[in-house]
Amino acid sequence: ETGVTQSPTHLIKTRGQQVTLRCSSQSGHNTVSWYQQALGQGPQFIFQYYREEENGRGNFPPRFSGLQFPNYSSELNVNALELDDSALYLCASSFPDRDTGELFFGEGSRLTVL
Amino acid sequence: AQSVTQLGSHVSVSEGALVLLRCNYSSSVPPYLFWYVQYPNQGLQLLLKYTSAATLVKGINGFEAEFKKSETSFHLTKPSAHMSDAAEYFCAVIFATNKLIFGTGTLLAVQP
Repeated sequence: ETGVTQSPTHLIKTRGQQVTLRCSSQSGHNTVSWYQQALGQGPQFIFQYYREEENGRGNFPPRFSGLQFPNYSSELNVNALELDDSALYLCASSFPDRDTGELFFGEGSRLTVL
Repeated sequence: AQSVTQLGSHVSVSEGALVLLRCNYSSSVPPYLFWYVQYPNQGLQLLLKYTSAATLVKGINGFEAEFKKSETSFHLTKPSAHMSDAAEYFCAVIFATNKLIFGTGTLLAVQP
């Protein structure tokens, strides 16, 4: 069973730039959630995609957007980067129709904004 | 608002000592509860989960947690700490739509 994979693992951007982070969900999972983990903090829910539709969003501005593809992989896009966007971005996949809420996390993409 | 509180951002124990990491949640409806562990520069790994079956839940690496509805708590314990247990531990709760709400984490240090 293939786990959740994320790319890139590390990247550096400057303020105002745009970034795209990618996530391949675990085999058989149809739901992808994205979380932002700032240094020393717990992960914060950004949004979730279920069968290619957004299915819940946390308290993040519209410049955080996402996509889910027919193969259930996903992208997180952040426009007009700010210094506070520096964080570890975690992707998690799940199969809520079957499992009791468990999320399977990738290793994360660490974004540094200068 | 639904929330999770982890008491103690840093906990230090000696190798072989009892590990107790505290977690309380706010909810009028029993949720699903989880403990995740995060090693440096890695993602989150599930330790254990409570899904309204047995109130005492056993997880990986010798950890267990007890759901106490009257105290709205889900504390994580391990009888004997090992050096490899040093990591950050997150309590999390799901109330709806698989949206996990995390606590702020507890960094566990294990002294030799």
